[in-house]
Amino acid sequence: EPEVTQTPSHQVTQMGQEVILRCVPISNHLYFYWYRQILGQKVEFLVSFYNNEISEKSEIFDDQFSVERPDGSNFTLKIRSTKLEDSAMYFCATVPGQDNEQFFGPGTRLTVL
Amino acid sequence: GIQVEQSPPDLILQEGANSTLRCNFSDSVNNLQWFHQNPWGQLINLFYIPSGTKQNGRLSATTVATERYSLLYISSSQTTDSGVYFCAVRHSGYALNFGKGTSLLVTP
Repeated sequence: EPEVTQTPSHQVTQMGQEVILRCVPISNHLYFYWYRQILGQKVEFLVSFYNNEISEKSEIFDDQFSVERPDGSNFTLKIRSTKLEDSAMYFCATVPGQDNEQFFGPGTRLTVL
Repeated sequence: GIQVEQSPPDLILQEGANSTLRCNFSDSVNNLQWFHQNPWGQLINLFYIPSGTKQNGRLSATTVATERYSLLYISSSQTTDSGVYFCAVRHSGYALNFGKGTSLLVTP
């Protein structure tokens, strides 16, 4: 069964450094999402991406964040200058159509020191 | 935005017991999903159920969209069922809105 994959599984970085989190969506899926979950809290929406542009973003998704699909397969989330409060699990999700079930990747655990 | 309330927040069961988890939402929904978050933090899709009833093994779910709630039933619970169960809904736009989850511990 096709799966969403994410790399790395765990990343440790120093405050102020840039990080790039990668996701490989299920092929033929058209909508891509990033969510995050701070330890012990609920999952929060960051951004959705369709047809090579952002279709919706939350208040969390400020200028420090960016997304792109650089090569037609990977879907990336970049955090330009990480802060301590960016420490969280980041999930990628993909879906074939807007009204369909969202499939989540295994997540990347980001630790900012 | 849409509000998603899950109950109970915590639940402890003995192996073999049955349980019902509830998800209330404040507006009409186009999408409702139940997830199990395992101890490694992975979100496992359980059900995509914007309306109606579905069953998968010992798990089943029912969504009554007109009354704005969904129920997840776990029968004959096993220790491997432990973890956090999330309900997530989509009202409009693209985002899933998650509840705070029900933390389930099944003891031997």
